[in-house]
Amino acid sequence: ETGVTQSPTHLIKTRGQQVTLRCSSQSGHNTVSWYQQALGQGPQFIFQYYREEENGRGNFPPRFSGLQFPNYSSELNVNALELDDSALYLCASSLQGGASTDTQYFGPGTRLTVL
Amino acid sequence: DAKTTQPTSMDCAEGRAANLPCNHSTISGNEYVYWYRQIHSQGPQYIIHGLKNNETNEMASLIITEDRKSSTLILPHATLRDTAVYYCIANSGGSNYKLTFGKGTLLTVNP
Repeated sequence: ETGVTQSPTHLIKTRGQQVTLRCSSQSGHNTVSWYQQALGQGPQFIFQYYREEENGRGNFPPRFSGLQFPNYSSELNVNALELDDSALYLCASSLQGGASTDTQYFGPGTRLTVL
Repeated sequence: DAKTTQPTSMDCAEGRAANLPCNHSTISGNEYVYWYRQIHSQGPQYIIHGLKNNETNEMASLIITEDRKSSTLILPHATLRDTAVYYCIANSGGSNYKLTFGKGTLLTVNP
């Protein structure tokens, strides 16, 4: 069974730039959720994609957008980067429509630093 | 998701059982209790979840009180590698898509 993978591991950008983060879901999973974790805080939900459609969104501005592909991998795009976007970005995959609970399994994260 | 309350930090001696409490007094009938842990700067690791009955897997045991207002995660023989932040989350799964993380409990296992 292949776990959740994310790329890149680390990334440094400057304010105003755009960034794309990538996630490959665990084998057999059809749902990907993205979270942002600022230093010293718990992860905060950004949005979820299920079968290529956005399935829910947290309190993040529209410059945070995403995609899910037919193979269920996903991208998180952030435009017009701000200093406060510096964080660990986490991707989690799950199987919706399977068991009654959809346990989310997390990847290792991408550390984004905005200068 | 129901709000959960956990102690900020706990210590445990290596080899002893670590018992991490969680209060979820407003949990609804269809909400499961999930436990994750996060070792410094890594992604959260799923540990265990349960609804009403006690659960055990290769990592830990989960004890849920009969009224479901609180639970305890038990690591039976803590090792130094169990030092992490432990998160207790109430979530109904299914279409309730997001996990709401609090600040968790920092468990430090001491030699």
